[in-house]
Amino acid sequence: DAKTTQPNSMESNEEEPVHLPCNHSTISGTDYIHWYRQLPSQGPEYVIHGLTSNVNNRMASLAIAEDRKSSTLILHRATLRDAAVYYCILRAQGGSEKLVFGKGTKLTVNP
Amino acid sequence: EAGVVQSPRYKIIEKKQPVAFWCNPISGHNTLYWYLQNLGQGPELLIRYENEEAVDDSQLPKDRFSAERLKGVDSTLKIQPAELGDSAVYLCASSKDRNEQYFGPGTRLTVT
Repeated sequence: DAKTTQPNSMESNEEEPVHLPCNHSTISGTDYIHWYRQLPSQGPEYVIHGLTSNVNNRMASLAIAEDRKSSTLILHRATLRDAAVYYCILRAQGGSEKLVFGKGTKLTVNP
Repeated sequence: EAGVVQSPRYKIIEKKQPVAFWCNPISGHNTLYWYLQNLGQGPELLIRYENEEAVDDSQLPKDRFSAERLKGVDSTLKIQPAELGDSAVYLCASSKDRNEQYFGPGTRLTVT
């Protein structure tokens, strides 16, 4: 499984945008980039995924670098409820559905 | 739509005792997963089912762990006997395609 690298922690202020980075320099051409988050005392929750193009949904935006060696999860206006651990995961297209979680980035949102 | 249901939410047992966790996936989701999450770590896959068949159990410690998914719906994960190192959160997830897994709240196991 290709590896991802994320900062251990980040801080943000409420109602400000948050950019969560993820490096995946060994990504293959068929790897999807998935983001999940885990709120305290809950199971992980799907956020967004993409392959090559930037993606938007109701929760967040995913910006993928042109060379695909890095990506950024963007929360447009952070709320206190967005405080969680955010995981960036690579999944092979057509391969196993297995998700390999790293330690993720712990996001703290200050009021 | 009801989410993934797990029970119990918390369990405290003494070492060498057996324990079982139950999971009810989202209706219509053929794929079911059991993950283990240690404190401060991301979840690790233990076993994956496609309907009734365990298609990936390579990370399941088969000497003490067992799982079943009768009729391709509910699933049970069992540990017998439990060891101190088994203290963790056990997560169940389900999916109907490769893009999104839905997780339950987990069962927090404490072995004393």
